[in-house]
Amino acid sequence: AQTVTQSQPEMSVQEAETVTLSCTYDTSENNYYLFWYKQPPSRQMILVIRQEAYKQQNATENRFSVNFQKAAKSFSLKISDSQLGDTAMYFCAFGLDTGTASKLTFGTGTRLQVTL
Amino acid sequence: ETGVTQTPRHLVMGMTNKKSLKCEQHLGHNAMYWYKQSAKKPLELMFVYSLEERVENNSVPSRFSPECPNSSHLFLHLHTLQPEDSALYLCASSQEGKSGPRYTQYFGPGTRLTVL
Repeated sequence: AQTVTQSQPEMSVQEAETVTLSCTYDTSENNYYLFWYKQPPSRQMILVIRQEAYKQQNATENRFSVNFQKAAKSFSLKISDSQLGDTAMYFCAFGLDTGTASKLTFGTGTRLQVTL
Repeated sequence: ETGVTQTPRHLVMGMTNKKSLKCEQHLGHNAMYWYKQSAKKPLELMFVYSLEERVENNSVPSRFSPECPNSSHLFLHLHTLQPEDSALYLCASSQEGKSGPRYTQYFGPGTRLTVL
């Protein structure tokens, strides 16, 4: 079974600063996907970024980038130039192909507060 | 309507009531999911439907009964629930297959369920 650990329940960052959210996972699989989802106070879960395990290059999406360390089973999210709208719960997720559908295992989340 | 929609957004029910949650996806996806989100716990995958067939049932009590009449609609029928079933219930969809953005799940806004 896969497990995902987010060791930072809450974090705070000032607007325009950079923050890094940590995520580690445990699996015996070699082919998988990793995701960061964002859940603002309105509750709609939104995909932030995804990484294919077979790709060595770290994924980036505008101000969001990841540091994927496959051997260390680490998948951190860096948010640059933080904005007030980045305030949300951030969930790290591990994705596995079951053959008929994808199965996601989520961490407990990190609550990020962006302040003025 | 776009994306994944869920109704109702809020539901309060007694332990003897019968109610249903509805999810509709407008993305042309072929897989749908039910998750339970409780405070300070990881999202729990409840059911997975792929091509309208249930492919996973994660030991969910029988008081929860899913139904997937077609690839766009997913229901969760509730009966004789317990107070500990109070949570946010999230629906998600994804496109599974040999082409396209596999594994990425798109979430609805959720139904906040309170069981009295």
